[in-house]
Amino acid sequence: QKEVEQNSGPLSVPEGAIASLNCTYSDRGSQSFFWYRQYSGKSPELIMSIYSNGDKEDGRFTAQLNKASQYVSLLIRDSQPSDSATYLCAVNPNTGNQFYFGTGTSLTVIP
Amino acid sequence: DAGVTQSPTHLIKTRGQQVTLRCSPKSGHDTVSWYQQALGQGPQFIFQYYEEEERQRGNFPDRFSGHQFPNYSSELNVNALLLGDSALYLCASSGITGAVGAFFGQGTRLTVV
Repeated sequence: QKEVEQNSGPLSVPEGAIASLNCTYSDRGSQSFFWYRQYSGKSPELIMSIYSNGDKEDGRFTAQLNKASQYVSLLIRDSQPSDSATYLCAVNPNTGNQFYFGTGTSLTVIP
Repeated sequence: DAGVTQSPTHLIKTRGQQVTLRCSPKSGHDTVSWYQQALGQGPQFIFQYYEEEERQRGNFPDRFSGHQFPNYSSELNVNALLLGDSALYLCASSGITGAVGAFFGQGTRLTVV
């Protein structure tokens, strides 16, 4: 059973639209949740963290967490072509300091 | 403030050889984790070092070993390279709790031929 699951996509949205990325995790005791952006050939870049149920907004990004449903999502408002990348969901379980990553969702924003 | 730095950026090795990758963590971080990312996959946890000891290990064979130095920098060693070891190797640094996330270096692209 995979620890973190994401829809691999690809997901395509027009410029200016809202992109919605989803992630589920298996460890119910997980406490910390992160979204990373990875451009092709580059390393992952941390863009959002969330620890409590509900929404957390940072600029055009909103992370949503529902621990009861073991579900994390990332919304990107007013999507730009520069947002085209793979988005990785990562979970820090309550058993240590390693991070479990999903396989990533490839997002393409069409001008 | 220097972020996480890794060397080398690219490496080509022959099957059966040994390789050493290096990582310097972000200033203020004392924990270094290594990940392997195959093409089209998410990063897979190899192991983590804190206080110069391996604290956690993922599902990787003993051919993968590491070390952490007193200045928190770290090395990843892979012996008896296989073609399947070709991947992007990522070093991530964090505080010991990982509560604020991990920060990655630029990675080392290893190709085994």
